[in-house]
This record gives sequence, C-alpha cells and structure tokens, in this order.
Amino acid sequence: GNSVTQMEGPVTLSEEAFLTINCTYTATGYPSLFWYVQYPGEGLQLLLKATKADDKGSNKGFEATYRKETTSFHLEKGSVQVSDSAVYFCALSDRDGGSNYKLTFGKGTLLTVNP
Amino acid sequence: DTGVSQNPRHKITKRGQNVTFRCDPISEHNRLYWYRQTLGQGPEFLTYFQNEAQLEKSRLLSDRFSAERPKGSFSTLEIQRTEQGDSAMYLCASRQGQALPFFGQGTRLTVV
Repeated sequence: GNSVTQMEGPVTLSEEAFLTINCTYTATGYPSLFWYVQYPGEGLQLLLKATKADDKGSNKGFEATYRKETTSFHLEKGSVQVSDSAVYFCALSDRDGGSNYKLTFGKGTLLTVNP
Repeated sequence: DTGVSQNPRHKITKRGQNVTFRCDPISEHNRLYWYRQTLGQGPEFLTYFQNEAQLEKSRLLSDRFSAERPKGSFSTLEIQRTEQGDSAMYLCASRQGQALPFFGQGTRLTVV
C-alpha cells in the first residue's frame, strides 16, 4: 500500500533561516505528490504539488521537487517568516485520473518560526 | 458559498453517546471525502462519495460509524456509542471532476 514518511518535528527556526522538511514515499504506480499546510484552528490548504518526475512545485517561496529515483519530495524555503509557523503535511494520491483521488498523508511536521 | 463548511466546529460528548457531524461541500462538487486526524498524526481516509453513492470505505470505519450523502449534496457522519479513541478532528473535503479537493476546517470531537 501507499505510505508517506516525513521528518518528525517539531522544527524551530529563527526568522530568515533556511527550511528543509524531508518527505519520502512508498507507492504502487506513479503517484502525484503534495504539500499541505495547516495553520492553527484552520483546515488543510494545498501549498504545492507535482505530478511527474523532476517536476518542481512552488508557492509562496516554498519549493519541492519530485524525485522518482529517491522517492522523495522534500520541502524547502530559503527564508522563513513568522507567518510560516504551521503544521506541514506531505501527501500522495494515486495518479490514475479516474480514481477516487484518495490522499495518503504523512504525520505532519510542526514548524515554529521565532522573530 | 466560498468553501467547504463543517458543523459543528467542536463537539464534546460523553462516552457511549451518539454524535453526528455535517459537511456542506462546495456547490456542484460531486465528490466528497471524510478523513480523521488524531493528535500528532496526519489525516487518514475514512470514506468517499461520488454524488449520493458511497464508493469506498476504509477499514478504519468500524460498524459504529456510518456516513450518508442523501441527494448528493451535504453529507453526515454519525458515530454511535462513542469511545475515547474516537476523539479526533474529522475533516471533510470536496472536489469536482479531476480538480484537487478542498478541505473544510474540520469538526473536533472530544469524548470524555
């Protein structure tokens, strides 16, 4: 079955520091990969996605590259802000187009950015 | 309608009681999902509807859980004879066609 393993948190950084959150996956077939963010008291929001090998998803200064050879999708940001404090989830879905698009999530990584 | 709406946002119930949550998807979204998120874990898939048909159920969905989507619009998730292990955030998501799903803010259930 599908599974996602992401770096355990919590991660605490100072503002403007470099961020990396590691994510690796196991999947049958050729999944699509996602990063979701959950701010305190809110639902999940899609941060970025990639649907095929070597694709780079990017949004709000965050980036992640779909690496099929290492089955990884690490999240990076060059300079974090206090407002980036949230829980980040790596996820995958079956990429068969007509599927139910069921998502498999990692456990989440809590990021705290201090001023 | 600007998003997926879930009610109530918070529910505290005594062990053994029944609870029901509601999800109103984005208008015209024909696909609807329920996920459960326990503390320190990522969301886990529970069940999926396409219109009014429930097409998939996770083995996490025990006999005490039932979900419906009458007329293919809003959905309800009922838990009978709640247990402390049912305490979690219950998330609903909806999507249309091949678009990515949108998530609601969730219903946080606490069983005491």
